[in-house]
Amino acid sequence: GEDVEQSLFLSVREGDSSVINCTYTDSSSTYLYWYKQEPGAGLQLLTYIFSNMDMKQDQRLTVLLNKKDKHLSLRIADTQTGDSAIYFCAESEASNTGKLIFGQGTTLQVKP
Amino acid sequence: NAGVTQTPKFQVLKTGQSMTLQCAQDMNHNSMYWYRQDPGMGLRLIYYSASEGTTDKGEVPNGYNVSRLNKREFSLRLESAAPSQTSVYFCASIGQAIEQYFGPGTRLTVT
Repeated sequence: GEDVEQSLFLSVREGDSSVINCTYTDSSSTYLYWYKQEPGAGLQLLTYIFSNMDMKQDQRLTVLLNKKDKHLSLRIADTQTGDSAIYFCAESEASNTGKLIFGQGTTLQVKP
Repeated sequence: NAGVTQTPKFQVLKTGQSMTLQCAQDMNHNSMYWYRQDPGMGLRLIYYSASEGTTDKGEVPNGYNVSRLNKREFSLRLESAAPSQTSVYFCASIGQAIEQYFGPGTRLTVT
């Protein structure tokens, strides 16, 4: 079945760039997503990329998609302490039901 | 526009008790979803409803039932709670666009 994998933890200094990586197995996914979860809160959509794109940039966020290697990354430029959260990668299931397959989440710790 | 709302926010149950988690959305979305979140495992789909009157199993449906009461509401029922069901439960909905909107979550502890 489909599977999405992420590393569990990343620590960076304030002002540095953060890169969170994700690998997925379903090559027929239409969209790939990045969600952010702050402590005690629900999930907030940060950005998404359509499967026929290689890159998407949105202010401080850059998403890179390597379809050959089934690798997705999220780069956060000039990381701030407010970026500390859990980041989830997710892929849309090919059946077009809107179901999402989530990774385990990467905890980003930003040190001042 | 409240988005997706969930009640209750917190709940403690004893093993064997039953309860219903409520979810409502005011965005006129067709599809609604129930996920559970456990540490180190991300979110896993329990049940979903593609439209009013239909429900389907997700990845981890055992021990749960759902009801799509109308277009707005999608409830999740635990008939006989078990400690393995201690988790954070999220409801989500999606309309014509591709973004899933998530509720704030219900934190359930089963002792």
